[in-house]
Amino acid sequence: SQQGEEDPQALSIQEGENATMNCSYKTSINNLQWYRQNSGRGLVHLILIRSNEREKHSGRLRVTLDTSKKSSSLLITASRAADTASYFCATDGKAGTALIFGKGTTLSVSS
Amino acid sequence: GAVVSQHPSWVICKSGTSVKIECRSLDFQATTMFWYRQFPKQSLMLMATSNEGSKATYEQGVEKDKFLINHASLTLSTLTVTSAHPEDSSFYICSASPRETQYFGPGTRLLVL
Repeated sequence: SQQGEEDPQALSIQEGENATMNCSYKTSINNLQWYRQNSGRGLVHLILIRSNEREKHSGRLRVTLDTSKKSSSLLITASRAADTASYFCATDGKAGTALIFGKGTTLSVSS
Repeated sequence: GAVVSQHPSWVICKSGTSVKIECRSLDFQATTMFWYRQFPKQSLMLMATSNEGSKATYEQGVEKDKFLINHASLTLSTLTVTSAHPEDSSFYICSASPRETQYFGPGTRLLVL
């Protein structure tokens, strides 16, 4: 089953611009993780944010979590062509359980 | 981060044959591994949870007799697609977790002719 929606489904920007992707989920969570997937490849883990955290940074990535609204956002600053990929949020209800994925946002960064 | 490998990375087979896909945790032990399937331009859907030393747990709609899972050791889970048909063509990905973060294998692309 799908946990929620990513918004937007597709995003096209120029290099240097910021990209913001949103994710909503339906059930209570233990933590939320963001992944990147290049076309036809496996998933690369980007960042994990716990349910008791509100914001987390990693390099050019900034993730926020609002458990009252059951939503999260991923901000990529100063985007590069190499950031072109699909981005997924995924949640688990308990540590060690399977992840439930959102539908993903396809990001295209042109130079 | 932890490393999860999959083999093979791609396979083409004839309809009716069986295909085995291996998932290994290379630098940690995993009592639980997960198998997902991804169709083109779609998200990942959980197929089953693989438990070391016990039976796998399958998601609703996934045929356990068609997708055989064996988790014989703490570092290896296998998914066998039995009597594969063209509709089984997909991208199969496994994951495992040493702690909180789930790490994914590189995936196996299956094409059934």
